[in-house]
Amino acid sequence: LAKTTQPISMDSYEGQEVNITCSHNNIATNDYITWYQQFPSQGPRFIIQGYKTKVTNEVASLFIPADRKSSTLSLPRVSLSDTAVYYCLVGDTPLSGSARQLTFGSGTQLTVLP
Amino acid sequence: NAGVTQTPKFQVLKTGQSMTLQCAQDMNHNSMYWYRQDPGMGLRLIYYSASEGTTDKGEVPNGYNVSRLNKREFSLRLESAAPSQTSVYFCASSERAARAYEQYFGPGTRLTVT
Repeated sequence: LAKTTQPISMDSYEGQEVNITCSHNNIATNDYITWYQQFPSQGPRFIIQGYKTKVTNEVASLFIPADRKSSTLSLPRVSLSDTAVYYCLVGDTPLSGSARQLTFGSGTQLTVLP
Repeated sequence: NAGVTQTPKFQVLKTGQSMTLQCAQDMNHNSMYWYRQDPGMGLRLIYYSASEGTTDKGEVPNGYNVSRLNKREFSLRLESAAPSQTSVYFCASSERAARAYEQYFGPGTRLTVT
């Protein structure tokens, strides 16, 4: 499982676009990049997943450069309710063989200020 | 459609006591997972079940056992609780093992062992 590195914390203001970058230098060919969001006292929530270039859904965009050694989660026009921990996961499927290392790391604490 | 449900929400045990955490999903998912999250930390995989009838160890299986009762239910048992098992326990499910990185989480069980 590729090791990931994220900033421990970030602050932003309401209405701004937030970009959280995750480094994964030893990403493997079959690995996908997945981001989760977790609010206090709740389970993580799947946000977005991608393999290369750009993926967009109603919540966020995921930018992956050609070398795939990093990825950036982009949250447009954040609000106070986007304050949460964001986790970057990198790994392949199927589960067998890699599941033992299916960990979320410590994530990035995003704080949105008024 | 309740998604993933967990019982109980809170539990206090004395050292040496046993208990079973229950998890059920109504999304017709094949794969289910148990995680623990210690304060300020990311999630660590305890056990998972790629499909009904199969279970396998995750990163931190010691002190736990699991049962995949049927397609909907996946329980986690602590045979002899220890203070080191004080944590928040999350259950999750995914459509199938090949989509392990897109998981849906329950609300968690907060366990304190004194």
